[in-house]
Amino acid sequence: GDSVTQMEGPVTLSEEAFLTINCTYTATGYPSLFWYVQYPGEGLQLLLKATKADDKGSNKGFEATYRKETTSFHLEKGSVQVSDSAVYFCALSAGNQFYFGTGTSLTVIP
Amino acid sequence: DTGVSQDPRHKITKRGQNVTFRCDPISEHNRLYWYRQTLGQGPEFLTYFQNEAQLEKSRLLSDRFSAERPKGSFSTLEIQRTEQGDSAMYLCASSQDRGSNQPQHFGDGTRLSIL
Repeated sequence: GDSVTQMEGPVTLSEEAFLTINCTYTATGYPSLFWYVQYPGEGLQLLLKATKADDKGSNKGFEATYRKETTSFHLEKGSVQVSDSAVYFCALSAGNQFYFGTGTSLTVIP
Repeated sequence: DTGVSQDPRHKITKRGQNVTFRCDPISEHNRLYWYRQTLGQGPEFLTYFQNEAQLEKSRLLSDRFSAERPKGSFSTLEIQRTEQGDSAMYLCASSQDRGSNQPQHFGDGTRLSIL
């Protein structure tokens, strides 16, 4: 069946460091892919999405490209800030099914 | 846009009791989703509605779990004969009715603790 595999954390980075959180997926069809973020004490919220191969989603300096050939949707940011400390979830939707990864906790230290 | 509202925020009950949670979606959203999230895991999809129709329920965890959305507005999730393993955060989300590529807007969840 469909699934999402996400890089395990926790990840600790210094401010202004480069961030990559890996996400790969398994799907029989053509899913839409998402990154959601959960800041401390808050609910999940959409960070970015891509709905077809080669699409690039971007928001708040974060980017992810839908790579069908490698079945990946890695999240990247060139220069992280303390305010980016949160848990990041990769997610897939296909038809009537929805799957989330296990989440990657990011802590950015000044 | 007042966001997705869930009630109660916390529920503590004894094993074997029935519990019911409520979710009020964003008013213009036709789709409503229920998830379960345990510590250290991502949300686990349970079921979803388009208006009042329950379009997917095969991933409800057992026949003790049921959900309704009788008038296509708010929804309830009921767990009968609760077990220790039901302790988790139950999340509700809603989205616009434009296919599965629409982002879901999540509530803050109901945390269930089974004594």
